[in-house]
Amino acid sequence: DIQMTQSPSSLSASVGDRVTITCRASHGINNYLAWFQQKSGKAPKSLIYTASSLLSGVPSRFSGSGSGTDFTLTINSLQPEDFATYYCLQYHSYPLTFGGGTKVEIK
Amino acid sequence: EVQLVEFGGGLVKPGGSLRLSCAASGFTFSDAWMTWVRQSPGKGLEWVGRIKGKTDGGTTDYAAPVKGRFTISRDDSKNTLFLQMDSLKTEDTAVYYCTTEGRGYSYSYSYWGQGALVTVSS
Repeated sequence: DIQMTQSPSSLSASVGDRVTITCRASHGINNYLAWFQQKSGKAPKSLIYTASSLLSGVPSRFSGSGSGTDFTLTINSLQPEDFATYYCLQYHSYPLTFGGGTKVEIK
Repeated sequence: EVQLVEFGGGLVKPGGSLRLSCAASGFTFSDAWMTWVRQSPGKGLEWVGRIKGKTDGGTTDYAAPVKGRFTISRDDSKNTLFLQMDSLKTEDTAVYYCTTEGRGYSYSYSYWGQGALVTVSS
């Protein structure tokens, strides 16, 4: 199975900050990586697929990059509604596997 | 409007069975690959399994912890996805989400249900 290592597990940031979350795959996954946002008590919401493509309706302050084993989610100018937990998912090989999550908290 | 609505969660004893349903509307269900994802209390997301659309053979894949105990099926005539859970263990306690990202994880769209809580406890 492909292991997804996400870091950091949590971070504190202020409104307006730039935030970077990383995900590392144990084997190469080309660009078959997605990012999700989950707010407390809610279902996850998809943000990015194929490592860097934004889903319709996702604000442009979210961006993704990477290929192979190393990937990054960047949130430019963090907004109050962005405080949530973020997960990466590899869909290159079965079983699909998620990263452990990054909780973005208010500083 | 697209909707995925899960039904059938509840409390079940270890070793028991439960069937979850996910009613879909607002998109072409028969073509969509449908996935179950779960989240144990206070924990992260875990992929449970997936069923392909009829066009792609309707085959299934499962995560190791549930393989042989859980079965995913679909009724395209009723736009409904199912998760049959047998030989349940306490570690299966979780919120179960049905989700779809289109055909072949194309992410032509991405929808999630609100989740159904399954509690396995004596």
